[in-house]
Amino acid sequence: DVKVTQSSRYLVKRTGEKVFLECVQDMDHENMFWYRQDPGLGLRLIYFSYDVKMKEKGDIPEGYSVSREKKERFSLILESASTNQTSMYLCASSPDFYYGYTFGSGTRLTVV
Amino acid sequence: DAKTTQPPSMDCAEGRAANLPCNHSTISGNEYVYWYRQIHSQGPQYIIHGLKNNETNEMASLIITEDRKSSTLILPHATLRDTAVYYCIVRVFTTGTASKLTFGTGTRLQVTL
Repeated sequence: DVKVTQSSRYLVKRTGEKVFLECVQDMDHENMFWYRQDPGLGLRLIYFSYDVKMKEKGDIPEGYSVSREKKERFSLILESASTNQTSMYLCASSPDFYYGYTFGSGTRLTVV
Repeated sequence: DAKTTQPPSMDCAEGRAANLPCNHSTISGNEYVYWYRQIHSQGPQYIIHGLKNNETNEMASLIITEDRKSSTLILPHATLRDTAVYYCIVRVFTTGTASKLTFGTGTRLQVTL
């Protein structure tokens, strides 16, 4: 089975800190995605990548950046964390545009 | 991507079939219908997808109407572990770049004894 592993399940950071959320997949998938999930708003796409060093903005990229230096790893970066970035962050991967996504278990980030 | 409409919640007795409807009246010819579910505190899980023919796998069946304006996900024998939020998504394929999934708010299915 494909595994998508997110480095932390729970994270607490201070306002203004630089935050790195790491995601690793073990099945050589081309595409990787970062979503955030908030009550009443559902899942919203932040950024995605369809190849190493390639990235595209999703629906809510403001305040975030991403890095994909290796195929298996996709990092989400909060340059200066703010309280409105408190959320559940979900990483996903897929082999190509036809297949479904495999999601990680999520990282619940709290910014205080 | 076409918009989908799902009921916010449904109940189903354990052992019975759960039929989850989805309306996608603006779907276009190159859009597929995907279903995912999310069990509390976990990431979404892929269930099934289809274009115009009915599909079945070990988890569920997907029935798409002939005009493709609506579909139904069927869990043939629901169990308590099927309690989750179910998302119906239509997705267009574009070549050369990842085709993103846009999630709505889904249907909360509660399976009861």
